[in-house]
Amino acid sequence: GAVVSQHPSRVICKSGTSVKIECRSLDFQATTMFWYRQFPKQSLMLMATSNEGSKATYEQGVEKDKFLINHASLTLSTLTVTSAHPEDSSFYICSASILAGETQYFGPGTRLLVL
Amino acid sequence: GENVEQHPSTLSVQEGDSAVIKCTYSDSASNYFPWYKQELGKRPQLIIDIRSNVGEKKDQRIAVTLNKTAKHFSLHITETQPEDSAVYFCALGGSNFGNEKLTFGTGTRLTIIP
Repeated sequence: GAVVSQHPSRVICKSGTSVKIECRSLDFQATTMFWYRQFPKQSLMLMATSNEGSKATYEQGVEKDKFLINHASLTLSTLTVTSAHPEDSSFYICSASILAGETQYFGPGTRLLVL
Repeated sequence: GENVEQHPSTLSVQEGDSAVIKCTYSDSASNYFPWYKQELGKRPQLIIDIRSNVGEKKDQRIAVTLNKTAKHFSLHITETQPEDSAVYFCALGGSNFGNEKLTFGTGTRLTIIP
């Protein structure tokens, strides 16, 4: 149980384009989903907390207009990297929890490369 | 935000020996302490977690100890095996900065030497 999927697993795009990443909880309803970014050999950095039906809460230093988050249902959250630049290249991982404050289950991650 | 320090950053252990990784934190309101294992290019996997109402939890070869007074918690892996080689992250939850959020440590790269 508690399986989280992400799509796509990897994506290469040109600078200036937008990329959408999907995060799905497959066998449970997630009240809260989280989006992280992980650069090579570094830790996971929380970008934003997403609650179904409400606006995402962004961490300090994360541009909400650049990283658009939509959590339209209890099983799906999307992250759109708008006008991507090479410095946005990273490993983007989502997680989901059934209840606030409970265990987070991670998706397999999306490796983004912006050329 | 919450700070959590993790040591050591790298650790090499002979197969069969024990490995210990320690994390220290500053926010006394933290009440959830999970440990994640991440293999190269893969997702973090929860291996064990503990809440502030207990001091120790064990699951086969893995244990976590918590000292709330001193504000540190540790991961203990006994009888290490080559498949234990990975990066391990501690995390904190339940702080004043948001009950739902996790703050991750900087990670420890554990290498088991056959």
